[in-house]
Amino acid sequence: GNSVTQMEGPVTLSEEAFLTINCTYTATGYPSLFWYVQYPGEGLQLLLKATKADDKGSNKGFEATYRKETTSFHLEKGSVQVSDSAVYFCALRTGGSYIPTFGRGTSLIVHP
Amino acid sequence: DVKVTQSSRYLVKRTGEKVFLECVQDMDHENMFWYRQDPGLGLRLIYFSYDVKMKEKGDIPEGYSVSREKKERFSLILESASTNQTSMYLCASSASGTSAIYNEQFFGPGTRLTVL
Repeated sequence: GNSVTQMEGPVTLSEEAFLTINCTYTATGYPSLFWYVQYPGEGLQLLLKATKADDKGSNKGFEATYRKETTSFHLEKGSVQVSDSAVYFCALRTGGSYIPTFGRGTSLIVHP
Repeated sequence: DVKVTQSSRYLVKRTGEKVFLECVQDMDHENMFWYRQDPGLGLRLIYFSYDVKMKEKGDIPEGYSVSREKKERFSLILESASTNQTSMYLCASSASGTSAIYNEQFFGPGTRLTVL
């Protein structure tokens, strides 16, 4: 079956620090990969996605590259802000399935 | 702006009550989902629906039922609420079709349910 593994949080950083949140996956076939973000008190929203190997998804200064050889999709940002404090979920979807597979989420706390 | 709305942001119910959580999407999506979110457990799928009147059990369907009479509306029902159903409930929708693998889910804001 499919699975997504994320680094456990919370990740605590100072403003302007570099961020990496690791995500690795196992999947049957060739999945699409997603990062979702959940701000406090809200539902999840798509942050970025990549649909094939070596694709790079990017949005709001965040980036992630689909690495088929290492089955990874690590989230990075060069300089985090307090407003980036949220929970980040890595997810995948494979063909023929209605249901995406989510990681457990990684909480990010950014201090001024 | 596309939207998934949920009937309540906060709800407090008593043990044994019947509870209805409503979800409406305006994107004409075929697929709709109900999750619960608990600290340390991530998202767990309760039920999903891929078409009107169609439903499939997810990972934790016990104690819940669902109804999808119209394409845009997906209801979650707690027949007899219990304290262990205190949680955040999230509704989501997604498009189907040949490019479905590329399609993200759109989530509602969530309903925080407390059962006393």
